[in-house]
Amino acid sequence: NAGVTQTPKFQVLKTGQSMTLQCAQDMNHNSMYWYRQDPGMGLRLIYYSASEGTTDKGEVPNGYNVSRLNKREFSLRLESAAPSQTSVYFCASSSDRAYEQYFGPGTRLTVT
Amino acid sequence: ELKVEQNPLFLSMQEGKNYTIYCNYSTTSDRLYWYRQDPGKSLESLFVLLSNGAVKQEGRLMASLDTKARLSTLHITAAVHDLSATYFCAVDRRNQGGKLIFGQGTELSVKP
Repeated sequence: NAGVTQTPKFQVLKTGQSMTLQCAQDMNHNSMYWYRQDPGMGLRLIYYSASEGTTDKGEVPNGYNVSRLNKREFSLRLESAAPSQTSVYFCASSSDRAYEQYFGPGTRLTVT
Repeated sequence: ELKVEQNPLFLSMQEGKNYTIYCNYSTTSDRLYWYRQDPGKSLESLFVLLSNGAVKQEGRLMASLDTKARLSTLHITAAVHDLSATYFCAVDRRNQGGKLIFGQGTELSVKP
């Protein structure tokens, strides 16, 4: 099992460009999450999806959109990147029973 | 608003010493989690604490939960260099299962 995978691992964007971060899990989990990690602030939830076809906002959703393409995949889109979106982005998934979330390797995004 | 605070934020220890990291949270929560993160890496689940008085131990780490005091502790016994990492606690909101709120993280450095 690969667990939770993310692509790309690194990305540099210019202000105003758009991109989509991809996440996939092979653990048959219902719930998936997108977080961003900034120094000194821990992780903050951007969006989450409790099941296929549903999404909901987290703490910091502004500037992002998500798509739960199917049970395995959950993508995060930046429509018009801003320097404030420079961060490390983590995708995670969890089952309904196990509670704990399993994290992907992260995407390091720099917006110049 | 649910807030999670850890202290200390930075901890430099000598090998063989004991220390405790504290995690306070502001409102009622269902579950408390501890994660470890090595530099440049993803988050690894350490413990899930589900009820008041819960205690879990793995090697030199022991976590406990006091829901009445809204406090969890992560105790390190006889620290070794391999424990150097950043440790995060996180809680999820009652009736909003799965949406984790993270503390700022405690950066632990264990020196010979």
